[in-house]
Amino acid sequence: SYVLTQPPAVSVAPGQTARITCGGNNIGSKNVQWFQQKPGQAPVLVVYDDSGRPSGIPERFSGSNSGNTATLTISRVEVGDEADYYCQVWDNSRDPWVFGGGTKLCVL
Amino acid sequence: QEQLVESGGGVVQPGRSLRLSCRASGFPFSDYVLHWVRQAPGKGLKWVALIGYKRNDKDYADSVKGRFTTSRDTSKNTVYLEMNSLRVEDTGIYYCARDNRMDVWGQGTTVTVSS
Repeated sequence: SYVLTQPPAVSVAPGQTARITCGGNNIGSKNVQWFQQKPGQAPVLVVYDDSGRPSGIPERFSGSNSGNTATLTISRVEVGDEADYYCQVWDNSRDPWVFGGGTKLCVL
Repeated sequence: QEQLVESGGGVVQPGRSLRLSCRASGFPFSDYVLHWVRQAPGKGLKWVALIGYKRNDKDYADSVKGRFTTSRDTSKNTVYLEMNSLRVEDTGIYYCARDNRMDVWGQGTTVTVSS
């Protein structure tokens, strides 16, 4: 089955830019979703179809996808952005709806 | 307000059964695919099952195939996850999520499988 690889943790200072990567074989050919999950809460969709932004999600959240890496970029990071972030794709294989292992964003 | 509300979780012994419900409101229920996603304690998200527009359009993760069954009752705007032969590793929070983009999530219901 398809595998998505994320770094376990990313640290950034408030006001800086955070980049969270999601690696997968030829992931650039797939549509990538990104979810934010804060402790004790359900996940929230923050980016869909590589770079789409649902209503209510700040413009500071953006996505890109090419080759073997998709990236979630959070500009002007705020303390409130501290959360776990998961990438997700559909793959025509066993267990087709695949999530990455998650990345903990630490805002120092 | 578009909303999903799960219920039915609890503590159950290995080998027993449990049925989860996910009730939708605020959007045309019949127009959307619905997914079940679970999260083991301290772990990441894992897709479990989906049910499409038509009752026979279903798919399951290998780890639950043959043990879990999902269904939908349009008259009640509700999706169900029937879980049989439960294992310790099925423990976790179970979420339902709307659409293949998973753009709306419920708050989750907790299932604990323990002897």
